[in-house]
Amino acid sequence: ELKVEQNPLFLSMQEGKNYTIYCNYSTTSDRLYWYRQDPGKSLESLFVLLSNGAVKQEGRLMASLDTKARLSTLHITAAVHDLSATYFCAVDPSLDSNYQLIWGAGTKLIIKP
Amino acid sequence: DVKVTQSSRYLVKRTGEKVFLECVQDMDHENMFWYRQDPGLGLRLIYFSYDVKMKEKGDIPEGYSVSREKKERFSLILESASTNQTSMYLCASSLQLGPESRNEQFFGPGTRLTVL
Repeated sequence: ELKVEQNPLFLSMQEGKNYTIYCNYSTTSDRLYWYRQDPGKSLESLFVLLSNGAVKQEGRLMASLDTKARLSTLHITAAVHDLSATYFCAVDPSLDSNYQLIWGAGTKLIIKP
Repeated sequence: DVKVTQSSRYLVKRTGEKVFLECVQDMDHENMFWYRQDPGLGLRLIYFSYDVKMKEKGDIPEGYSVSREKKERFSLILESASTNQTSMYLCASSLQLGPESRNEQFFGPGTRLTVL
């Protein structure tokens, strides 16, 4: 069964701290996506990682992909309140996937002032 | 910019009513998807379509049907709405390129449906 597991599922942290969200997946894939969702809103694409070793950064967020370990990380540096949201990772499982993505359950991140 | 729009942000219907949720994308994407999102259950795929008039069942198709008569429009139909279909419904679209493509899905704003 294709699985994408995120951890933690819930994270409460203080502003200024660093933390990492992990996304493990069970199938061979070299394409992984990170999305952000604000409360009551839809999903917004953050990062697209298309190969082993890919690293993308935007502001205080950095995402990386290790296809050998089947692991992606989303690292938050010096967190600020505006980054409070739910973060989803999704994996493109194969060339014949019919373009579906397999989704993680999401990590709800709360950053306290 | 890719734009995916959904016909309603909020909808209230009665049990047994037929409900239509419309999704339109303006970027000539081949693939379109309908998800529902419930607290604690993440995103669940209802149906998707990779071409006009083509449809594939997702993980939870029961109680739903879809229609794709034009490339830009993908409709989700609840034949007889029930209270357990109260949820947030999200539409998404993506390009259908080769193996090197991004395959990124772009989402609409969502429709929060309440069935009374």
